[in-house]
Amino acid sequence: KNEVEQSPQNLTAQEGEFITINCSYSVGISALHWLQQHPGGGIVSLFMLSSGKKKHGRLIATINIQEKHSSLHITASHPRDSAVYICAVTYNFNKFYFGSGTKLNVKP
Amino acid sequence: GAGVSQSPSNKVTEKGKDVELRCDPISGHTALYWYRQSLGQGLEFLIYFQGNSAPDKSGLPSDRFSAERTGGSVSTLTIQRTQQEDSAVYLCASSPAWTGLSSYNSPLHFGNGTRLTVT
Repeated sequence: KNEVEQSPQNLTAQEGEFITINCSYSVGISALHWLQQHPGGGIVSLFMLSSGKKKHGRLIATINIQEKHSSLHITASHPRDSAVYICAVTYNFNKFYFGSGTKLNVKP
Repeated sequence: GAGVSQSPSNKVTEKGKDVELRCDPISGHTALYWYRQSLGQGLEFLIYFQGNSAPDKSGLPSDRFSAERTGGSVSTLTIQRTQQEDSAVYLCASSPAWTGLSSYNSPLHFGNGTRLTVT
């Protein structure tokens, strides 16, 4: 079983702050997925990574395969970034294993 | 284009009744997943369908839960003799076929879920 650990569980930040959310997993994977769940339940995909780094707007995702670790960074955070951020991994593109999520609250 | 569609969006049922939840995946997506999320909890894997392969049912919590996927498209999750602990949001996701690591760049697409309340 691939254990997926996210930290922190809860994060409160002031608008404009740089935010980092971490994800660690226990065995080798094929890909890692960052997801965003807004209040009310909708889940949207942010990034799918198998190596290196991806950037989209103010969001940056990195993965270190050797260290079995990924980070999601948000630059110049905004209250609309408040959501639960979820890390999911797959080692065979079959089943995804999910972290428990990081609840982010960005205050104005 | 159309996303993953789930129905109903909300379902309230009495303990002991059977319920059916429906998922319409994105057209052409070969993989379909069912997850559930209890209040304040993370996502719990239930079942996975991939093309014509036998489904991975390893996440189903009991034999009261079953799912089928007809014609490789629409899926129905059935819960028999519902219990209060079945109350949760049931989420469906789909993804396209994997044709190789270098070409896999399309992530999971989730529906908005069905909120099930068992009274």
